[in-house]
Amino acid sequence: AQKVTQAQTEISVVEKEDVTLDCVYETRDTTYYLFWYKQPPSGELVFLIRRNSFDEQNEISGRYSWNFQKSTSSFNFTITASQVVDSAVYFCALLLLGGKLIFGQGTELSVKP
Amino acid sequence: EPEVTQTPSHQVTQMGQEVILRCVPISNHLYFYWYRQILGQKVEFLVSFYNNEISEKSEIFDDQFSVERPDGSNFTLKIRSTKLEDSAMYFCASRGQGVSPLHFGNGTRLTVT
Repeated sequence: AQKVTQAQTEISVVEKEDVTLDCVYETRDTTYYLFWYKQPPSGELVFLIRRNSFDEQNEISGRYSWNFQKSTSSFNFTITASQVVDSAVYFCALLLLGGKLIFGQGTELSVKP
Repeated sequence: EPEVTQTPSHQVTQMGQEVILRCVPISNHLYFYWYRQILGQKVEFLVSFYNNEISEKSEIFDDQFSVERPDGSNFTLKIRSTKLEDSAMYFCASRGQGVSPLHFGNGTRLTVT
């Protein structure tokens, strides 16, 4: 099966807390790419990061960081010192070789002041 | 920064009517996609299009749906006879060569009454 599972449907935190969004994927491909997209209340899908299956180096971009662990098929996303503007639905996605993007169910993050 | 544009942003139609959703992908992109997101659910793949033909389609993309790239810039999704369950946000996306992220438009919210 080729699928993405985001087990956390909703997360609620208070501003300045750190929060980690989990993503577990399944694929039979040896080469694949993983993505995170953000969907704010306005509805658009905003690309955040891409990671390929050969690059397990973790990445940090400002308050965002990503932890890719091939051994556990996970690609988790951490927001440090969360802000109200981080409130959105976050989607993890798997790019298949044919170019099709498979999305997880999404995690709705609510950051309260 | 170039972006994918979709029109209209919101379309209301009566059941049984035909609708055409329009998209202008990023100009040098070669791969085009339509995705659908029913309210509160995950983003689902409908169809991918490359080199003037459909490269893959999902089970959702039945005979009521069609796509077209009528000129060098537009990419359209037609629903021939809309049903209530077609009500959703429809996202157009495009990407360039190689493994590049999909860039999504802001979506068209289709409401079928």
